[in-house]
Amino acid sequence: EAAVTQSPRNKVAVTGGKVTLSCNQTNNHNNMYWYRQDTGHGLRLIHYSYGAGSTEKGDIPDGYKASRPSQENFSLILELATPSQTSVYFCASGVPGQGAGDTQYFGPGTRLLVL
Amino acid sequence: GDSVIQMQGQVTLSENDFLFINCTYSTTGYPTLFWYVQYSGEGPQLLLQVTTANNKGSSRGFEATYDKGTTSFHLQKTSVQEIDSAVYYCAMRRDTNAYKVIFGKGTHLHVLP
Repeated sequence: EAAVTQSPRNKVAVTGGKVTLSCNQTNNHNNMYWYRQDTGHGLRLIHYSYGAGSTEKGDIPDGYKASRPSQENFSLILELATPSQTSVYFCASGVPGQGAGDTQYFGPGTRLLVL
Repeated sequence: GDSVIQMQGQVTLSENDFLFINCTYSTTGYPTLFWYVQYSGEGPQLLLQVTTANNKGSSRGFEATYDKGTTSFHLQKTSVQEIDSAVYYCAMRRDTNAYKVIFGKGTHLHVLP
């Protein structure tokens, strides 16, 4: 069974502070993704990676950095957190173009509140 | 650019009602289309997918029909149950080589007992 885990599950941060969200997958998938979920916007792609050492900008990358040190781990970094980054963040892994396997497996999400 | 549009933000039904959620997409590629479902407190999970090679997909009593002519991709279920209450996302991968999946804004389905 595909497994994507995220930590922490809940986080309260202060404005201007640094926040690191971590994601781990045991699927051996090349691709990993970070999304944020907001009411009225659905899921929006922040950064993605197609393998260890690679990171690519998604649709809303401003204010976020990403790091993919290994096949299993993908982190999202907020260097200077702002209240507008209060959201639920989802990590996902996947392999494109694999027929029935062409899907994304999501983690349980991290609730971030920036005060 | 590529886009996915779900106009219905919220749908409220009673048990055994018919469900129909509309989704339209725009792309110049040969897309794979998906419906994801997200239950309360969980991450989204794949419900079903359809490629241009076939026009329909089905899973867990849900059926999705893809119409290339109208670039639409509908989700339907004959008789919804309370356990179907969730957020449903329409999504599109532009082609099999694309890394990105574009999601619609989601439709929150609330089924009354």
